[in-house]
Amino acid sequence: EVQLLESGGGLVQPGGSLRLSCAASGFIFSNYVMYWVRQAPGKGLEWVSSINYNGHYTYYADSVKGRFTISRDNTKNTLHLQMDSLRAEDTALYYCAKLGVREPPDYWGQGTLVAVFS
Amino acid sequence: AIQMTQSPSSLSASVGDRVTITCRASQGIGNYLGWYQQKPGKAPKILIYAASSLQSGVPSRFSGSGSGTDFTLTISSLQPEDFATYYCLQDFSYLTFGGGTKVEIK
Repeated sequence: EVQLLESGGGLVQPGGSLRLSCAASGFIFSNYVMYWVRQAPGKGLEWVSSINYNGHYTYYADSVKGRFTISRDNTKNTLHLQMDSLRAEDTALYYCAKLGVREPPDYWGQGTLVAVFS
Repeated sequence: AIQMTQSPSSLSASVGDRVTITCRASQGIGNYLGWYQQKPGKAPKILIYAASSLQSGVPSRFSGSGSGTDFTLTISSLQPEDFATYYCLQDFSYLTFGGGTKVEIK
């Protein structure tokens, strides 16, 4: 059974940091591009960041560039998102995903909630 | 960055209705488009990949069409379990989601 299990969310003050993790199982993690996608309360979906299969190439939405860092550990089947200089507008449910827009499979975790407030 | 304009943002429909949702890309994206369904409190679920391919296990009342800049998701006969929010997603260049379409009961 495929699982993507996010952790690391929580409450943090503006300017603070959090490190999200996503533990993958049930598929060959090291074969795939992985993504972080977020959803602010009552809002739509927003792509945050992507990382290629071996971690050598990373991509970020303009809204988080310079503040967030994506990484992966293929030996531990784990995806990370280091979030620094957090802002109120970063408050959202953060999903880890392997997307299947071009071809299957498509996997999503259940999300971890990040709340930034003073 | 590629923009995805999804319409309508919401619609009211009855069980059995035919429903059409559209997405327009700000530049050509080939067929690098997917359609997702999201229900409250749940992660999105893919319905259509590569613009027109039905994901395994998804009912055949869902269909997708289009290429280049204009895409359509059609539900041929709306069922009670289809009331949800739908999103398009392009991955031709980075990722961009459409703004979403909330399908509500009339």
